[in-house]
Amino acid sequence: DGGITQSPKYLFRKEGQNVTLSCEQNLNHDAMYWYRQDPGQGLRLIYYSQIVNDFQKGDIAEGYSVSREKKESFPLTVTSAQKNPTAFYLCASSILRQGVDTEAFFGQGTRLTVV
Amino acid sequence: KEVEQDPGPFNVPEGATVAFNCTYSNSASQSFFWYRQDCRKEPKLLMSVYSSGNEDGRFTAQLNRASQYISLLIRDSKLSDSATYLCVVKGPEGGSYIPTFGRGTSLIVHP
Repeated sequence: DGGITQSPKYLFRKEGQNVTLSCEQNLNHDAMYWYRQDPGQGLRLIYYSQIVNDFQKGDIAEGYSVSREKKESFPLTVTSAQKNPTAFYLCASSILRQGVDTEAFFGQGTRLTVV
Repeated sequence: KEVEQDPGPFNVPEGATVAFNCTYSNSASQSFFWYRQDCRKEPKLLMSVYSSGNEDGRFTAQLNRASQYISLLIRDSKLSDSATYLCVVKGPEGGSYIPTFGRGTSLIVHP
């Protein structure tokens, strides 16, 4: 079945540690996104990528890093510089058609908790 | 970049008709969607919103470009419609079209 897979589903991190969240898609989508959602809040864009080896900062990129070495994969690293990393992280992907995205499909998310 | 929604909650009885609105600030926005998000789950596409308006069963979506808002109408509400409804607008950002989410509107359908 085609889809987006995020792992792990739950992740606990000690303060001062870097952690990497995995996002893989087999939908052959060009664009991939990372969002963060806090309780009672909407989704805020962290990073996005529309082609391999290229990515752009979103609204809240500080303390995060990404890579796009393969079309299928867009891992997110939460660094120790992120002051409040506890949140629900969502990865999404979409195809590009004539320069305008179509709808985005989401993975099941990773809940990160700093302990 | 702003996409605004009334967070609610909208508390309605089964069978009721309920409507949500969403306003957006970027007049160059090109694509519009409604997503549904259940508690502690990922958002899932409910429907796209087209300029001419579109309907999918009990759900009707409309776009008003002049006033820069989109709406979602749910008829004959079911208990299973209880969820958060997210408005999504794609507008230009440095040559790309990036999805921007509203905070969501919470709907509670009670017996």
